[in-house]
Amino acid sequence: AQKITQTQPGMFVQEKEAVTLDCTYDTSDPSYGLFWYKQPSSGEMIFLIYQGSYDQQNATEGRYSLNFQKARKSANLVISASQLGDSAMYFCAMREGLGNQFYFGTGTSLTVIP
Amino acid sequence: EPEVTQTPSHQVTQMGQEVILRCVPISNHLYFYWYRQILGQKVEFLVSFYNNEISEKSEIFDDQFSVERPDGSNFTLKIRSTKLEDSAMYFCASRETVNQPQHFGDGTRLSIL
Repeated sequence: AQKITQTQPGMFVQEKEAVTLDCTYDTSDPSYGLFWYKQPSSGEMIFLIYQGSYDQQNATEGRYSLNFQKARKSANLVISASQLGDSAMYFCAMREGLGNQFYFGTGTSLTVIP
Repeated sequence: EPEVTQTPSHQVTQMGQEVILRCVPISNHLYFYWYRQILGQKVEFLVSFYNNEISEKSEIFDDQFSVERPDGSNFTLKIRSTKLEDSAMYFCASRETVNQPQHFGDGTRLSIL
């Protein structure tokens, strides 16, 4: 089974609108961390937001928030007030327990339309 | 803000040759990683390194690959006898502690001819 599943290969959003990028994960370890990264067309990987499995509140970082639903094993990224510069690939990733390996999803390509 | 730096940004190598990809992790970070991303595909874990030894490696990381921390700052990935399918973007990453995110370098695009 895939550790991280991103079911939306491509998404479009109107500028200034909010968009939700889906991510579900699979682990039996009670301790894990969930991460979102942005990869613009230039190729670099940019860390956006982190959610720990024991965190009581959903993580937020500026226009990014993480809709963490533990029972559903989902960690959706919400981008509010989309900007043209948000157009990029977005990867969800997970670290299990104290392990060193990060598991990445296949990514979602987001296009912001002016 | 401190960054992970990778050199070169683009490496072109003949098939069968050895290549060394270089990374300078963030100075106070303790955990180091190499990933690869074949064009248009997801990021794949290769290896993690902690306390001067490999802590985890994937199936991709076979005998063709090796990593080294030759001094206090550099972290290298060596690929022996490169193959066409080694063409990919290779990312180095580092993190400070277990609960911190990984910070990625800008990657080295490796093209095998």
